[in-house]
Amino acid sequence: KAGVTQTPRYLIKTRGQQVTLSCSPISGHRSVSWYQQTPGQGLQFLFEYFSETQRNKGNFPGRFSGRQFSNSRSEMNVSTLELGDSALYLCASSLVPPDRLGETQYFGPGTRLLVL
Amino acid sequence: ELKVEQNPLFLSMQEGKNYTIYCNYSTTSDRLYWYRQDPGKSLESLFVLLSNGAVKQEGRLMASLDTKARLSTLHITAAVHDLSATYFCAVASTGNQFYFGTGTSLTVIP
Repeated sequence: KAGVTQTPRYLIKTRGQQVTLSCSPISGHRSVSWYQQTPGQGLQFLFEYFSETQRNKGNFPGRFSGRQFSNSRSEMNVSTLELGDSALYLCASSLVPPDRLGETQYFGPGTRLLVL
Repeated sequence: ELKVEQNPLFLSMQEGKNYTIYCNYSTTSDRLYWYRQDPGKSLESLFVLLSNGAVKQEGRLMASLDTKARLSTLHITAAVHDLSATYFCAVASTGNQFYFGTGTSLTVIP
């Protein structure tokens, strides 16, 4: 069974631009969560989606948005990029939302974004 | 906001030794997770702990949860080089947001 895939794997953008990252969950998984990992702030929760609905959102500005499609694939968008947005963006999928019976999340390889 | 503290941040240990990583969190939670991350790689789920007193073991790793003390431990028994990685604990809030600890970078020395 294929794992969680994320595209692109690496991305270089300049300040002010916008970016869209994509995540394809494991087949059959309907829950997708996004995380940002930086050396300074560590791992931070961005959003959680289940059946095309955003269930939870972390403490990030409105420049960060996301969505989930009917095939469970998810995208996140960051507009007006800032230098501080440089990070590894991780996507994780699970069969059902993680709060149901302690469902395990499976993480993708991440997209490494560099903002210049 | 829920705070999660891990210690130590860095751990260098000899092969064959035992050690414990601690994870403290600030408010009530009913779920605690442990993950492993190898350099340049993504996160791998190790354990999900759901209730007070829960204990789970996989190979040389054993995790436990004390919800009253808001403490989880990850115990390493007879460390081997393959266990070198960064270990994260994460706590889920009632709103199902995940809060991660700072991570413990473990290096096992032959």
